[in-house]
Order: sequence, then structure tokens, then C-alpha cells
Amino acid sequence: DAGVIQSPRHEVTEMGQEVTLRCKPISGHNSLFWYRQTMMRGLELLIYFNNNVPIDDSGMPEDRFSAKMPNASFSTLKIQPSEPRDSAVYFCASSLVVGRNQPQHFGDGTRLSIL
Amino acid sequence: SQQGEEDPQALSIQEGENATMNCSYKTSINNLQWYRQNSGRGLVHLILIRSNEREKHSGRLRVTLDTSKKSSSLLITASRAADTASYFCATIQNNAGNMLTFGGGTRLMVKP
Repeated sequence: DAGVIQSPRHEVTEMGQEVTLRCKPISGHNSLFWYRQTMMRGLELLIYFNNNVPIDDSGMPEDRFSAKMPNASFSTLKIQPSEPRDSAVYFCASSLVVGRNQPQHFGDGTRLSIL
Repeated sequence: SQQGEEDPQALSIQEGENATMNCSYKTSINNLQWYRQNSGRGLVHLILIRSNEREKHSGRLRVTLDTSKKSSSLLITASRAADTASYFCATIQNNAGNMLTFGGGTRLMVKP
């Protein structure tokens, strides 16, 4: 079975450019999470959706970050304009929302470098 | 701020030895989960223990939970070189929907 699919795997771009990260959750999962991982701050939750609706975006660092989930099988995380401090690995994860004892399934991440 | 804090931050052992990692958290929880992350990969769920459980086993993994001390431990028995990875605890707090809050992780190296 296909797991969570993220694209691209690597992205290198210059500061000021728009960056779009993509995620396809596991079919049937109705919760989707975006995380950022850095050496300094560890793994941080940016935003999560239940049934395509954003539930908590308190982890989104600035207005430069936005996330959408237009349907159950696709989500994007956009950074505009990008800055060097946005360099990190961005993970998408999905799970079932039934109850709260559900594991999250992670993609392999997008390694983002802003020059 | 991080809910869970792992201890130690790094651990190096020989193959065949047991590895114990600890996790402490701050607020009341619904459940606590352990994940593994291999270099360059996403996190993989290992085991979930509910707040009303005290111990759980899965293969070579043993997890304990002490809610009075707000702490958990992950024991990997008879370690293998393939167990080399970072291990994270994560909690679902009682008032936080199904959001996971991760600790800083323990980097485990198992030498062949």
C-alpha cells in the first residue's frame, strides 16, 4: 500500500521565491498534519486538518506560510516569500481521526534549502 | 515548547545489549506514542500506550508509562545494528484534539 507521498524530496531555491510543498495522504485517512524539523527546534507542528478543514494553525510561524487542503487526497504548504531561516525538512503525516488512539503515518519529507 | 523531553540525547551501545530511553512530559495526556526515525526518512510509529495502561510490549520493544511521574521509558532488547536511529516520544494532551507534541529525541547508535 502506498504511504504518505510528499513532493518534491529536495528543493533548493533563492530567498524571495515562492515554495510549494505537496502531500498526498494515505487513502481513507481524514487527518493531515504538516511538521517542520530543524536541529535547533526539533519537530514542530505547523498546522493540521480534519476532514479537509484546518483545525489548528497556531504553529504556522508567519503570514508567509499558508496551507490548503482542497480535497481529501491532496494538501499544499506554501511559503511566499521564502527566507533562509525557512530551511528545514518539512514532513506531512496522516491518520484516522476516529478516536484519539491513532498513530500518524509520515512521508519521507521535503528537504528545503533557501539560499 | 516541547511537551516531551527524552533522556539521554544520545546513546551508543554494542549489538546484543539492551537500550533504554526515557521521556518526561508536563501536562496530563490521553496517550503517549514512540516513533523511530532513520536518517533521511520520515518517522515511523512503533507503539502507543494509553494513559490507563502501565506497560506494553511489541516484539523486542517494551514501553512503560508512569502518569504520576509523567514519564515513560522505551526498552529495546537484544539490539541490532538496524535499530540505529533516532527515537521520539510524542503525547496527545487531554485538551489538544488529536495533535501530537514531540520531544527532542534520543539518537541511538548500535555498533555491530
